[in-house]
Amino acid sequence: DGGITQSPKYLFRKEGQNVTLSCEQNLNHDAMYWYRQDPGQGLRLIYYSQIVNDFQKGDIAEGYSVSREKKESFPLTVTSAQKNPTAFYLCASSEGLWNTEAFFGQGTRLTVV
Amino acid sequence: QKEVEQNSGPLSVPEGAIASLNCTYSDRGSQSFFWYRQYSGKSPELIMFIYSNGDKEDGRFTAQLNKASQYVSLLIRDSQPSDSATYLCGTLSGNTPLVFGKGTRLSVIA
Repeated sequence: DGGITQSPKYLFRKEGQNVTLSCEQNLNHDAMYWYRQDPGQGLRLIYYSQIVNDFQKGDIAEGYSVSREKKESFPLTVTSAQKNPTAFYLCASSEGLWNTEAFFGQGTRLTVV
Repeated sequence: QKEVEQNSGPLSVPEGAIASLNCTYSDRGSQSFFWYRQYSGKSPELIMFIYSNGDKEDGRFTAQLNKASQYVSLLIRDSQPSDSATYLCGTLSGNTPLVFGKGTRLSVIA
C-alpha cells in the first residue's frame, strides 16, 4: 500500500537531547513537509522540501533541522535549541508544491521529560 | 503574513442537520483550497479540495468558494455523530506550501 510512514508514534526526550523523527513515503511525491501541532492549534510549518537535496525554512524552523538525501525520506531533528518541543509532529507529502493536495502520516507525539 | 481564519467552535448540530463550516483567508493570491478532517489524536485526512469559484459536491459534502470575498466553506448534509471532529481549512498559493487555519471543532449530537 502507498502511504506515508512516521516513526516512532510516541517519543520521549530528556532536556538537552537531540532526537530525530523519521518520515518515509512511497507515493513517489516530490514535495515533503513537516508541521507542528499544539493542543487546540492549527498546523504550523517547520520545513519543506520540493526536491532532493533542497529544503526551505517554514514559519517556525528555529531549533529544528532536516535533510533530504533521498526522495522517499525527510527526517526531522529536534535539537536542544528548541525550547518547547513537546507537540504533535506531522509529516506530509504531495506530488508538487502547487495546486496539489497533501497527504499526512500518522504523526509522532514528542514529549519532553 | 498569510492568514487563514476559522471559528474554533465548538459547533454543535443535531444528527441529520446541515453543518456549515466557514473559513476566510488573507492572501488574494491563494489558488487552491482544502478541507481536512482530524479526529482527536489522529492525523488530518483530506475531505475535499476546490480551485474554482462556486460549489463542488462530493457525497454529503459540499465545498463553496468565493474568491472575491476570500471565503470558503464546507457544508455537511445529514450530519452523523461520526462527523464529530476538527475541520481544518488550508490554502495554497503559487509559491508557498499549505497554510492552515486553527480548525473548527464540530460536535454532532445524536
